[in-house]
Amino acid sequence: GNSVTQMEGPVTLSEEAFLTINCTYTATGYPSLFWYVQYPGEGLQLLLKATKADDKGSNKGFEATYRKETTSFHLEKGSVQVSDSAVYFCALSDPGNTDKLIFGTGTRLQVFP
Amino acid sequence: DGGITQSPKYLFRKEGQNVTLSCEQNLNHDAMYWYRQDPGQGLRLIYYSQIVNDFQKGDIAEGYSVSREKKESFPLTVTSAQKNPTAFYLCASSIDLGTREQFFGPGTRLTVL
Repeated sequence: GNSVTQMEGPVTLSEEAFLTINCTYTATGYPSLFWYVQYPGEGLQLLLKATKADDKGSNKGFEATYRKETTSFHLEKGSVQVSDSAVYFCALSDPGNTDKLIFGTGTRLQVFP
Repeated sequence: DGGITQSPKYLFRKEGQNVTLSCEQNLNHDAMYWYRQDPGQGLRLIYYSQIVNDFQKGDIAEGYSVSREKKESFPLTVTSAQKNPTAFYLCASSIDLGTREQFFGPGTRLTVL
């Protein structure tokens, strides 16, 4: 079935370090891909999305490119800040049932000054 | 401002009592969803609804019930049959076409004593 696999956390970085959070997916069709962010005690916020192969989603310095050949959607940021500390979820829209999103298990990012 | 509201933010109940969590949206979205999140875990889908007066079970529907009498509202009842109801509950909505991007509410933290 369709699934999303994220790297396990926590990811611990110093401020201004480069961030990569890996996400790979399995899907039978052509899903849309998303990154959501969750700050402590809050709901999820959409960070960025990509709807077709080779699309690059970007927002607030974060980027992710939809790579169909490697079935990946890795999240990157060139210089993280303490305020980026949160849990990041990769997700795909299920092409067999477009009413659902399939989420990864989340990756906690901790950024220290 | 358009968005999703969930109330209350924190809820405490005694074991054996049913409790209803509120979710309201003014985004004019057709589809609405309920997720459960346990500490350090990803999201698990409880119920979802594509249209008024219709809803489907998600992956962990046992011990929960929902109704969808109005487009704006999708309340979730946690019944006494739910064996481990203490969790963070998230409501979401999406427009009924396109990428299925979901918008999330701030969540309700339910603690059963």
